[in-house]
Amino acid sequence: DAGVTQSPTHLIKTRGQHVTLRCSPISGHKSVSWYQQVLGQGPQFIFQYYEKEERGRGNFPDRFSARQFPNYSSELNVNALLLGDSALYLCASSLVASNEQFFGPGTRLTVL
Amino acid sequence: QKEVEQDPGPLSVPEGAIVSLNCTYSNSAFQYFMWYRQYSRKGPELLMYTYSSGNKEDGRFTAQVDKSSKYISLFIRDSQPSDSATYLCAMRMNRDDKIIFGKGTRLHILP
Repeated sequence: DAGVTQSPTHLIKTRGQHVTLRCSPISGHKSVSWYQQVLGQGPQFIFQYYEKEERGRGNFPDRFSARQFPNYSSELNVNALLLGDSALYLCASSLVASNEQFFGPGTRLTVL
Repeated sequence: QKEVEQDPGPLSVPEGAIVSLNCTYSNSAFQYFMWYRQYSRKGPELLMYTYSSGNKEDGRFTAQVDKSSKYISLFIRDSQPSDSATYLCAMRMNRDDKIIFGKGTRLHILP
């Protein structure tokens, strides 16, 4: 069975640009969560979506937005990139919003 | 004070030793406790998932939760070089709440 997939694997952007990261959950999973992991730190919660509705939002600025599509895949968008946005962005899926979460390999974003 | 405290290590132990990893937390409302393993440049992999206090065993791994002390532990028996990774503790208040992670402990098992 395919696990959570994320694209792209790596991305290099410059300050001020915009980025879109994509996630496909495990088949049958309806909940997707996004996390930011800065080097040397644990993942930090950004968003959770369940059945295409936002169910939770972490302490991130409005430059960060996300959405979930009818097939339960999801996009994370970040506008006006800052150097501090450089991190590994992780997507996790679960059967329902409350269930165990399974992580994808992440997208490594570098902002120059 | 951070919600979840975890010593980042690194922790180096010889192959075959028992490894003890732990976290402390400040919010007594946490009820669900998890341990994830993360290899370099990979996403975290769920190892153990427990509810409230007590012990849970799965193969060479044992998770312990002491809510009275706000302290959780992960024990790895008969450690192997393949166990070398970063171990993240994580917790949540309710079943549908966001997950709060510790910083992670880097573990090296020496052959």
